[in-house]
Amino acid sequence: DTAVSQTPKYLVTQMGNDKSIKCEQNLGHDTMYWYKQDSKKFLKIMFSYNNKELIINETVPNRFSPKSPDKAHLNLHINSLELGDSAVYFCASSQEGGEINTGELFFGEGSRLTVL
Amino acid sequence: GQNIDQPTEMTATEGAIVQINCTYQTSGFNGLFWYQQHAGEAPTFLSYNVLDGLEEKGRFSSFLSRSKGYSYLLLKELQMKDSASYLCAALDSNYQLIWGAGTKLIIKP
Repeated sequence: DTAVSQTPKYLVTQMGNDKSIKCEQNLGHDTMYWYKQDSKKFLKIMFSYNNKELIINETVPNRFSPKSPDKAHLNLHINSLELGDSAVYFCASSQEGGEINTGELFFGEGSRLTVL
Repeated sequence: GQNIDQPTEMTATEGAIVQINCTYQTSGFNGLFWYQQHAGEAPTFLSYNVLDGLEEKGRFSSFLSRSKGYSYLLLKELQMKDSASYLCAALDSNYQLIWGAGTKLIIKP
């Protein structure tokens, strides 16, 4: 069974369109994340979310919005896509236990978004 | 600001040993991670260090010096399948991961 799964794996779309990427984890983790990995391979945190708190990286445009129907899902919705949004988007999850968080992340396989 | 520095690319020979260095500057520190990422795939966890010293795990070892803000990943008996990017990431005082850009390791026969 895949621990963290995201769909679609590849997405090609036109500028100005709205698209969503779905993510599901079956690890029972409390926290889920969206990362963007650009052509320079930097992994940049976009959002982290658990039952209590949504943390948004302030550099993320408000065209990007996370939606979490339940603890096991965190979807990423993007409005008015721009060329610069082309990247690989990784979903991840981690288990936070009280004050101790080793921070080990379990990543999905990534969704490669290409905006034309 | 917070920053992670690691070499962009390294080349090594199959069967040899390679050391990938990482220096970090973060607001507080709660540990240092190494992840492996093969081309076109997701990063996978390799190691976590929070105390000074060397942690060995099979062919891979990771070292941390908190006072120097320095870590390295040591790979022994290199195999072709070790060709990948190796990402260094530090956990800051807010338990947020600060990522380096990764070191692309090329293994030659």
